[in-house]
Amino acid sequence: TQLLEQSPQFLSIQEGENLTVYCNSSSVFSSLQWYRQEPGEGPVLLVTVVTGGEVKKLKRLTFQFGDARKDSSLHITAAQPGDTGLYLCAGAAGANNLFFGTGTRLTVIP
Amino acid sequence: GAGVSQSPSNKVTEKGKDVELRCDPISGHTALYWYRQSLGQGLEFLIYFQGNSAPDKSGLPSDRFSAERTGGSVSTLTIQRTQQEDSAVYLCASSYPGGYAEAFFGQGTRLTVV
Repeated sequence: TQLLEQSPQFLSIQEGENLTVYCNSSSVFSSLQWYRQEPGEGPVLLVTVVTGGEVKKLKRLTFQFGDARKDSSLHITAAQPGDTGLYLCAGAAGANNLFFGTGTRLTVIP
Repeated sequence: GAGVSQSPSNKVTEKGKDVELRCDPISGHTALYWYRQSLGQGLEFLIYFQGNSAPDKSGLPSDRFSAERTGGSVSTLTIQRTQQEDSAVYLCASSYPGGYAEAFFGQGTRLTVV
């Protein structure tokens, strides 16, 4: 089982602040995904990155895949209360098996 | 169907009883995953199916846990002789062939063992 460590585990910030969440592993992945999960719901896919060094932007969210395809970061600019949730990275390896990170619980205070 | 469907949505069972959790994946999705999530925690991988076979069942925590998938569609996760530590939300996800294993999740089954 590939291990993906996320940091920080918990993050509480004021509305309007910026933040970065990290996802690190010693394994190489064919693709890496970020999901957000809200209470009582299953995780929902935000983005997939597949190329080392790739950067993708989704409104105020910027996702980066490390050059060696072992790590990733998620940067949120001017956080909003609607960004509150559990953020999970996930790495795909081999024949499409998917392993999830330990999660970062974000709270944005109005 | 339109999305991944799990049933039941909630299950309360007595310690020692067996339970079955069901997952109906999105039509045409060949990969199916089961995860377990304890309160406030991340996702613990249980088992992965490609079609009807399970190339990776390394995450099943004990021999009380088993899963099967029939017809390349519906999957059932069975927990025998439930224990209180089995209490968690059990999430199922599916993904389409030829993609990047992007997972579509059901809403989960909340299992409480009393």
